[in-house]
Amino acid sequence: GDSVTQTEGLVTLTEGLPVMLNCTYQSTYSPFLFWYVQHLNEAPKLLLKSFTDNKRPEHQGFHATLHKSSSSFHLQKSSAQLSDSALYYCALSEAGNTGKLIFGLGTTLQVQP
Amino acid sequence: NAGVIQTPRHKVTGKGQEATLWCEPISGHSAVFWYRQTIVQGLEFLTYFRNQAPIDDSGMPKERFSAQMPNQSHSTLKIQSTQPQDSAVYLCASSLEGNTLYFGAGTRLSVL
Repeated sequence: GDSVTQTEGLVTLTEGLPVMLNCTYQSTYSPFLFWYVQHLNEAPKLLLKSFTDNKRPEHQGFHATLHKSSSSFHLQKSSAQLSDSALYYCALSEAGNTGKLIFGLGTTLQVQP
Repeated sequence: NAGVIQTPRHKVTGKGQEATLWCEPISGHSAVFWYRQTIVQGLEFLTYFRNQAPIDDSGMPKERFSAQMPNQSHSTLKIQSTQPQDSAVYLCASSLEGNTLYFGAGTRLSVL
């Protein structure tokens, strides 16, 4: 079945350094890919969604490029901020555009001063 | 717009007791989803409704979990005979169209 893999459970880096969180997926079709972010004691919120026309989505300095050849949708940011510390989930949409999302295990990003 | 509202925020039950979790989706949204969040399993899909009809309950543990959506303004997730392994954050989400899910803050269930 469809699945999402996030290889890092915890990423710790210093403020100002670049961020890259890995996401790969398995699917029998071409799904939409998503990044959700969850700050402590808050609800998960949509950060990015892949486009159908291969444009690169960007939001709050974060961007991600969908590479169908490698089944990847890595999240990147050029310079980490303390406020970026949160739990990040990668997800894919189920076939048939049902609205159901399949999530990875999540990556906790800790940004230190 | 108050967003998705989940009550209670925290619930503590004894082993074997019943727990009912409530969700009020965003007004006008046609789909409601339930997920379970744990450190080990991440965000696990449980079930969802569209226009109040149950569509997919493939993630629900069959014996003790049930979900209902009696009207368009709320859904419930009921867990009978709760077990310690049911301890988790239960998240409800709603969506209008496409795949953007709007999540509530969740109910943290602790089974002692």
